[in-house]
Amino acid sequence: AQSVTQPDIHITVSEGASLELRCNYSYGATPYLFWYVQSPGQGLQLLLKYFSGDTLVQGIKGFEAEFKRSQSSFNLRKPSVHWSDAAEYFCAVGASGGSYIPTFGRGTSLIVHP
Amino acid sequence: SQTIHQWPATLVQPVGSPLSLECTVEGTSNPNLYWYRQAAGRGLQLLFYSVGIGQISSEVPQNLSASRPQDRQFILSSKKLLLSDSGFYLCAWDPGQGSYEQYFGPGTRLTVT
Repeated sequence: AQSVTQPDIHITVSEGASLELRCNYSYGATPYLFWYVQSPGQGLQLLLKYFSGDTLVQGIKGFEAEFKRSQSSFNLRKPSVHWSDAAEYFCAVGASGGSYIPTFGRGTSLIVHP
Repeated sequence: SQTIHQWPATLVQPVGSPLSLECTVEGTSNPNLYWYRQAAGRGLQLLFYSVGIGQISSEVPQNLSASRPQDRQFILSSKKLLLSDSGFYLCAWDPGQGSYEQYFGPGTRLTVT
């Protein structure tokens, strides 16, 4: 079965600084990978996804993520963080050819200082 | 375009009372539907999922149940709420056919007192 680890529970950055949120997965074959964002009291919104092809994927709100098979990672990045990016971020993995239900990480809470 | 609705947005219920949360999806057919619970500061716990009308799979044994009376309607119920049922309940859908990409509703905040 697949699993997802988000090693950072909280991340604090200053507005305008760069951001990288870590995500590691465990799965034997090529995974389907996702990043979601959840603002307080809201549902989850898909930021970006990786199914195949170019390992650097662009998403909404200026986010990007890079799939690194050798490191089993799918880290989320943004070059300059805005105060409105403060939210909970979830990484998820789906197993191609297996259960269609994705596995979600525990989430990383992003705090943005002015 | 597709939209997903959940209601109510917030709910405060006493212990032992019944529960009914509703989720509807518009603009798609035969979606897979999901109920998740999110406790404070925790990740997502999958409770139920459904691949079709009347087809419900439970991931976690508990005092909750789910039903899918119509193609785009998913209901979460309980006959008697427990304090531990408090949390943020999220409904989600995906178009099926192994797409994995889920779309979430706005959620229902349930407080059991």
